[in-house]
Amino acid sequence: GQQVMQIPQYQHVQEGEDFTTYCNSSTTLSNIQWYKQRPGGHPVFLIQLVKSGEVKKQKRLTFQFGEAKKNSSLHITATQTTDVGTYFCAAGGSQGNLIFGKGTKLSVKP
Amino acid sequence: NAGVTQTPKFQVLKTGQSMTLQCAQDMNHEYMSWYRQDPGMGLRLIHYSVGAGITDQGEVPNGYNVSRSTTEDFPLRLLSAAPSQTSVYFCASRPTRQGSYEQYFGPGTRLTVT
Repeated sequence: GQQVMQIPQYQHVQEGEDFTTYCNSSTTLSNIQWYKQRPGGHPVFLIQLVKSGEVKKQKRLTFQFGEAKKNSSLHITATQTTDVGTYFCAAGGSQGNLIFGKGTKLSVKP
Repeated sequence: NAGVTQTPKFQVLKTGQSMTLQCAQDMNHEYMSWYRQDPGMGLRLIHYSVGAGITDQGEVPNGYNVSRSTTEDFPLRLLSAAPSQTSVYFCASRPTRQGSYEQYFGPGTRLTVT
């Protein structure tokens, strides 16, 4: 079945450093979504990318969708302690469901 | 709107017991799904429903049953609990199966099977 690979699994950064997580698929994706899960919480939708080469920004967060629509990335500039959590990418499946990557757990040292 | 609600928040079961995890949404969403989350495994789809009376299996359906008698409710039943079912369970909903819409997640149920 369709799989979405996400790296790295963990990332530890000093506050103020940048952070990037990558999502890759062997097949072309119709769309990709990104979610954030705070420790002890539930996943919360951040953004959806649909178009080839699409780039979207939300304050310090930049989301990219690859030209071939097989990869995506989330970049956080100048991390803050409020950015702590696990970031998941999720690709639309054939049945209308979402296929989630395993997530990247971000910790930020103040 | 309350969004997606789940009960209970925590549950401890003994091996072999059965129970039902409740999920409800008040957003009139057609599509509802159940995920389990285990450390390092991300979110894995158990069952999903594209509307009342319609359910289908996801990636890890064994040991679980679902039904969808109303648009609002989508309970998940554990038939005979096993320690391998210790996990955090999330219910989610979205407006429709078609197109691309964000999923709204409930707060989760933390289940421990001893």
